[in-house]
Formats: sequence, C-alpha cells, structure tokens
Amino acid sequence: GQQVMQIPQYQHVQEGEDFTTYCNSSTTLSNIQWYKQRPGGHPVFLIQLVKSGEVKKQKRLTFQFGEAKKNSSLHITATQTTDVGTYFCAGEGGKLIFGQGTELSVKP
Amino acid sequence: GAVVSQHPSWVICKSGTSVKIECRSLDFQATTMFWYRQFPKQSLMLMATSNEGSKATYEQGVEKDKFLINHASLTLSTLTVTSAHPEDSSFYICSAPPRGAGSYNEQFFGPGTRLTVL
Repeated sequence: GQQVMQIPQYQHVQEGEDFTTYCNSSTTLSNIQWYKQRPGGHPVFLIQLVKSGEVKKQKRLTFQFGEAKKNSSLHITATQTTDVGTYFCAGEGGKLIFGQGTELSVKP
Repeated sequence: GAVVSQHPSWVICKSGTSVKIECRSLDFQATTMFWYRQFPKQSLMLMATSNEGSKATYEQGVEKDKFLINHASLTLSTLTVTSAHPEDSSFYICSAPPRGAGSYNEQFFGPGTRLTVL
C-alpha cells in the first residue's frame, strides 16, 4: 500500500540553527500537506502543496514539493523555541497518509 | 479557522466496557470525517472514513465490529470502542474537511481523546 516516509525521526538543534525534515512517498501524490503537533496537542494545518516543483514560504518556513510529486521538504531558518513540536507531512493519494513525523527540540 | 471538538477529552475505563467518542464540527458541515489513532511518539494512523448517511470505510486491519462509527448528521460523527482492552489505549483524533472537500483539502483536527483501558 501507499507509504509516506519521513526523516529524521528526531532533530535537536540550538536556537538559531536551521532545521529540515524530508518526506518521501512510494507513489505519486495529488498533493502534500504539512502539519505541526505541539506536545500534548493535536495536529494543526500548516500548508498544502499541489503543483510539481512548488515552493511556498511562511516567514521562516519554506516548503517544497518535488518535481515528481513524490517527495517534499520543510525547512525552518533560524529556529526559535516556539518551533518545538512534531512536524508531519501527509500525502494525498486518494486518502491522507501521514509520515512518521519529525520531532524538533530547540535548545535556548 | 474552522473548529472541531471532541468529547470526552480523556476517559479511563475497565477492560470489557464500551466507550463512545464524539466528534463535532462546530461552525461548518462535514459530509466526511476521519478517525485516527496515535500511539505515543508515533504517527497518526487512519482508522476509518466516516460518511454522513452511509457506512464508514475502514482501513485494512481495523475491525469494524470493534470500532463502530456512526455519522448521523453533517456535524457529528461518533466512534465507539466496543469491549475495550488495554491494547486499545491510545489517543484518538478525528478530523474533518469542509463539506464536499473530501480529504483533498486542509483537515481540521479535533483536540483528541485519550483513552486508557485498565
């Protein structure tokens, strides 16, 4: 069945350092969505990418969708302690399949 | 943004009992709602798709007789965990896209229900 792989599983950074999480699908996706889940909370929608090669920015966050629509990345520039949480990609290929998530911790 | 509520937010029950979890879209209608299960430090696993006015669609490996889903209105879906066992202890989260959007658009997640079965 369809699988969405996400790496790394954990990332510990010093405040101010950059952070990137990668997402790969076994099949071509209609779109990919990114969510953030704070500890003890529920996933909150960040963005959706639809077009091949699409790049979107939200302040310090940059999202990319691969040309083949099978991979995606989220890059955070100059992390802050408020960025702490688990970031999930979710691939849409008939239904939404979540990656394993990348847990980000930021040391002040 | 749209609001999805879940009730209860946490529940502790004895093994063998049944637990009902409600998922409500508060300010929009949802013909489709999704039920996920999340174990600690793990991802969200889609359990089933709840369809208003028709039977739910279950993912492979999810027992439909154990996890009963009812989507009686455009704003309410319920998940009943029947004859709960300790291995059913988990974080159950529902989500809903705005009416007619299926799963192609932004999902609004409920706050989740933490179930502990003793």
